Formats: sequence, C-alpha cells, structure tokens
Amino acid sequence: GDSVTQMEGPVTLSEEAFLTINCTYTATGYPSLFWYVQYPGEGLQLLLKATKADDKGSNKGFEATYRKETTSFHLEKGSVQVSDSAVYFCALSDHSGGSNYKLTFGKGTLLTVNP
Amino acid sequence: DAGITQSPRHKVTETGTPVTLRCHQTENHRYMYWYRQDPGHGLRLIHYSYGVKDTDKGEVSDGYSVSRSKTEDFLLTLESATSSQTSVYFCAIDPHGSSYEQYFGPGTRLTVT
Repeated sequence: GDSVTQMEGPVTLSEEAFLTINCTYTATGYPSLFWYVQYPGEGLQLLLKATKADDKGSNKGFEATYRKETTSFHLEKGSVQVSDSAVYFCALSDHSGGSNYKLTFGKGTLLTVNP
Repeated sequence: DAGITQSPRHKVTETGTPVTLRCHQTENHRYMYWYRQDPGHGLRLIHYSYGVKDTDKGEVSDGYSVSRSKTEDFLLTLESATSSQTSVYFCAIDPHGSSYEQYFGPGTRLTVT
C-alpha cells in the first residue's frame, strides 16, 4: 500500500536558518504530493503541492520538488521565521485503482524556530 | 475559509459511553472525511463519504461508525468509547473530489477516561 516517511522531529532552528524536512514515499501509481502545515491549536492547511514528476511546489518561501527517481518530496526554506513554528505533514494522493480521493499522511515533523 | 465547523470542540467522556461528533460544512461539497491525529501516527483516516448515504471505511475504522443524511453534515459515532479512542479528531472536505486539496476543520479533542 501507499506510505509516506518523513524525518522525525522535533527540529529546532534559529531564525533565518535554512530548513530541510525530508519526505519519501511509496505508491503503486502516479501520486500527487503535498505538504500540509498545522499551526498550534488549528487544523491542517495545504502549504504546497506537486502533481507530476519534476514539478516544484512553492508557497510562502517554502519549496519542494517532486523527484520520481528518488521517490522524494523534501521541503525547504532558505530563511525560517519564528512564525514558521508548526507541525509539517508530507502527504500523497495516489490516483490509481480508484483511490483518487484519499490522502496518505506522514507522521508529521514539529518545527520550532527560536528568535 | 472553507466553512467547516466541528462540534463539540472539546469533550471528556467515560469508557463505555456513546459519543457523536459532528462536522458541518456550508459549501455542499460531496467528499467529507474523518481523521484522528495521535502523536507518532500523524493523521489516519477513519471513514469518508462521497455523498449522502454513501460512506466507506478508512484504515482505522474499528469502533467507529458514520452517517451522512444531509450533504452538509457528517457524523462520527463511537458506539462505546474506549481509552484508546482518546485523540484529536479532524473533519475534512475535498472540494474537487480529486484529493488535490483537502480543507480541514478546527478539530475536536476527545478524552475518554
């Protein structure tokens, strides 16, 4: 079955540091890939997405590139801010076999950015 | 704002009691989902619905049932709550039915004592 593996946290950085959160996936078909973010006390919200190989998703300074050859979708940001402190989830939607309306999530990575 | 509300937002209940959580949406979207979030497990799908009276099981459906008698409401019921069902429950909608994007509600924190 489909699965998502992302680096375990917590990750603690100083403001303006470079961020990488690794994510790899296993899927039977041709998945779409997502990063969701959850701020304290809130539900998840979509941060960025990529629907095919070599696509780059970007939003709010975050980027991730869909790498089919390495089955990866690593999240990066060049300079984090305190306001980026949150839990980040990698997820996929596999559009094969009629399961194209379900998401599979990784376990989440807690990011704390200190001033 | 995807117009999703969940009620109650917090609940404490005793083992063996029935509990119903409600998800309400204002946009008449077809696809709705219930997830639970637990430390070390991320989000796991409990049940989902693809229309009125059309529901199916997710990966952790044991001990849960759902109903959808109106497009706007998706109910999750714990028939006899257990301590292992202590969790944060999130409802989500998929505006396009393609899982290119899901919108989440604010969550319900359930504690079973």
